[in-house]
Amino acid sequence: DAGVIQSPRHEVTEMGQEVTLRCKPISGHNSLFWYRQTMMRGLELLIYFNNNVPIDDSGMPEDRFSAKMPNASFSTLKIQPSEPRDSAVYFCASTSTANQPQHFGDGTRLSIL
Amino acid sequence: GNSVTQMEGPVTLSEEAFLTINCTYTATGYPSLFWYVQYPGEGLQLLLKATKADDKGSNKGFEATYRKETTSFHLEKGSVQVSDSAVYFCALSQGGSEKLVFGKGTKLTVNP
Repeated sequence: DAGVIQSPRHEVTEMGQEVTLRCKPISGHNSLFWYRQTMMRGLELLIYFNNNVPIDDSGMPEDRFSAKMPNASFSTLKIQPSEPRDSAVYFCASTSTANQPQHFGDGTRLSIL
Repeated sequence: GNSVTQMEGPVTLSEEAFLTINCTYTATGYPSLFWYVQYPGEGLQLLLKATKADDKGSNKGFEATYRKETTSFHLEKGSVQVSDSAVYFCALSQGGSEKLVFGKGTKLTVNP
């Protein structure tokens, strides 16, 4: 079975540019999560969706960050404009129901120059 | 609120040594507990889980027992290998929520 698929795997861009990260959850999973991982702050939950509806976006750092889930098989995390401090690994994860494990993608390593 | 506390790393061991990574939690009710492992350059993978008190999760030689009396879920392995070098995260979910609360992670390095 295909796992959670994220693209791109690596992204290098200049500050001020728009960055779009993409995620395809596991088929049949109805909850999707976006995380950010850095050495300084560890693993942070940015936002999560249930049945394509944002449930908790309290972890989104600021208005430059936005996330959408237009359908059950696709989500995007957008940063506009990007800043060097946004450099991190961004993970997407999905799960089928409460109290079950989350399945993670391989992440997008983002570098903002 | 719910929280997870893991032992500070990094942990460095020689091959075949015994491993313990401590994890304690704070939660109301009966959370489900998880250990995840993250190998270099990869996402987190579920290592094992336990859903009720006294349950023992096990996988790949790793074990952890859900201890409600001590609110702990310590990870153990009797004989580590170089290939076990990774970052280990303890996590909980509770109350019908899909969210997981993660510990800060413990980096393990196993030397030959």
